[in-house]
Amino acid sequence: GNSVTQMEGPVTLSEEAFLTINCTYTATGYPSLFWYVQYPGEGLQLLLKATKADDKGSNKGFEATYRKETTSFHLEKGSVQVSDSAVYFCALSVGGFSNTGKLIFGQGTTLQVKP
Amino acid sequence: NAGVTQTPKFQVLKTGQSMTLQCAQDMNHNSMYWYRQDPGMGLRLIYYSASEGTTDKGEVPNGYNVSRLNKREFSLRLESAAPSQTSVYFCASIADVSSYNEQFFGPGTRLTVL
Repeated sequence: GNSVTQMEGPVTLSEEAFLTINCTYTATGYPSLFWYVQYPGEGLQLLLKATKADDKGSNKGFEATYRKETTSFHLEKGSVQVSDSAVYFCALSVGGFSNTGKLIFGQGTTLQVKP
Repeated sequence: NAGVTQTPKFQVLKTGQSMTLQCAQDMNHNSMYWYRQDPGMGLRLIYYSASEGTTDKGEVPNGYNVSRLNKREFSLRLESAAPSQTSVYFCASIADVSSYNEQFFGPGTRLTVL
């Protein structure tokens, strides 16, 4: 079946540190991959996406590359800020004729950035 | 343009009580979804509606029913609440499933069942 696995959290970093949150997936067909972010007390917001192999999604200094050979979509940022503290979810959507837009989420990784 | 709205924001129920969670979107989206969020488990799909007039079960549908009242509204009903349904519930919508556009989420309903 389809599934997403994220690295365990919480991740605690100092401001301006480099961030990597690992995400690997299992999917039939050719999934699209997403990173969503949830700030405290809010719903999820799309951070970035990639719809085919080797695509790089980027937004607000965050990047992730769709690696089909390693079935991965790791999230990176060169210099985190306190305002990046949130929960990050990796997700996939499997397309094709049966596509219904359903998202399959990883368990989420909490990031805490200290000043 | 309010996006996706959910009511109520918080609710406490006793075991066996019933309630309906309301969701509405003003973006003219075709598809709508209900997820639950539990610690360490991410979000899991309860039910979805690919288009007005259709609904289908997701990963964890037991104990829930849904109604796609019209294109804007998609409600989730708990007929007899159980403590295992204590969770945060999110409604989401998407304009067009074929183009992998952004799925928009509401702010959530935090439900506690005692």
